[in-house]
Amino acid sequence: AQKVTQAQTEISVVEKEDVTLDCVYETRDTTYYLFWYKQPPSGELVFLIRRNSFDEQNEISGRYSWNFQKSTSSFNFTITASQVVDSAVYFCALSEDNTNAGKSTFGDGTTLTVKP
Amino acid sequence: AAGVIQSPRHLIKEKRETATLKCYPIPRHDTVYWYQQGPGQDPQFLISFYEKMQSDKGSIPDRFSAQQFSDYHSELNMSSLELGDSALYFCASSEASYNEQFFGPGTRLTVL
Repeated sequence: AQKVTQAQTEISVVEKEDVTLDCVYETRDTTYYLFWYKQPPSGELVFLIRRNSFDEQNEISGRYSWNFQKSTSSFNFTITASQVVDSAVYFCALSEDNTNAGKSTFGDGTTLTVKP
Repeated sequence: AAGVIQSPRHLIKEKRETATLKCYPIPRHDTVYWYQQGPGQDPQFLISFYEKMQSDKGSIPDRFSAQQFSDYHSELNMSSLELGDSALYFCASSEASYNEQFFGPGTRLTVL
């Protein structure tokens, strides 16, 4: 069984602060995929990143960066110089390698509020 | 680029009524997933289809059924609706050989 834990239910920061959203996962598979999604108030799920279990390289995309550490089963997400538009619910998700039914298990989400 | 299409985007029903949600996957995607996201909750997997056959089943109530058609679109049928069925329903599609799901915009179902 797979499980994703996002320990931070809510985070509030002031604009321009850096913020890290934590994600810890559990899986028995050796091959799996990790995702981060952003869900703004409008409700759609916006894909941010996908990582497979064999690629532990950290990634940076603009103000976003991700730190994947298999040793601690963590896949943390950092927003640098946060902006008000970053306010949203962020979900970390795990999908096991199954070519026919790789359903995703989501964490409970972290609500990020960025204040001006 | 084409995305996953869901219709309708919003649906209001009364208790005990039925509802049908539709999902049109990205062209050439052969796998469809349905998720339910209740207010303040994370998306929960309901059911998936691969090549028109059910491939996995999650926490889908017996009152719900789904199928994938020959053109790969999928429909989620919900009967005897309850207040607790009010949620955002996401459909996602993928190619079986490439494990990345693309989510649709969701259908917001409100049961009164």
